[in-house]
Amino acid sequence: DADVTQTPRNRITKTGKRIMLECSQTKGHDRMYWYRQDPGLGLRLIYYSFDVKDINKGEISDGYSVSRQAQAKFSLSLESAIPNQTALYFCATSTGGVMETQYFGPGTRLLVL
Amino acid sequence: AQSVTQPDIHITVSEGASLELRCNYSYGATPYLFWYVQSPGQGLQLLLKYFSGDTLVQGIKGFEAEFKRSQSSFNLRKPSVHWSDAAEYFCAVVPNSGGSNYKLTFGKGTLLTVNP
Repeated sequence: DADVTQTPRNRITKTGKRIMLECSQTKGHDRMYWYRQDPGLGLRLIYYSFDVKDINKGEISDGYSVSRQAQAKFSLSLESAIPNQTALYFCATSTGGVMETQYFGPGTRLLVL
Repeated sequence: AQSVTQPDIHITVSEGASLELRCNYSYGATPYLFWYVQSPGQGLQLLLKYFSGDTLVQGIKGFEAEFKRSQSSFNLRKPSVHWSDAAEYFCAVVPNSGGSNYKLTFGKGTLLTVNP
């Protein structure tokens, strides 16, 4: 079984709809991250959480919110989806520390019409 | 401004040829350096990382990278490319600014195509 799972893997939604992307991990890591990937722009950090009670905005948090329900679960919500939120979304986990390795989920491809 | 740059958006090589992917950074102190690979339809996987010590770092899948302080570079290399190496490659950094707020910043990626 995969260590970092994301659901759904693909999603089509309409402008104005609320949508939630979910991430679960079995690695026992404290740190979790949400990124979005756009062609030619690389990965950009949306939100990150260093433990269940610690949630921080990344570089592009506007229009998004998150919830850390447990150490193993970190959800990303789009309260009112807009077309420019069409992207590939990745969840990642890490143990923390300077030389940490981040472990990525397989991604969720989101299309907002 | 602090940044990490991958100058090549797309590189095409023939199978069996050597490969070098470029990465440059602009930070006051040498950051911690990483290379990740994203195979088609997959998430990212760490290839290698550098903090200090030997400037030639060995990674998985036969990749290596060389840190050059004078050039602010951390280029990824492979002596002989295989068709399965076709993927997108990301250089990433964590600023060496102290504290515990470690976050990765990614370059925009280099897409590698391998011709048979």
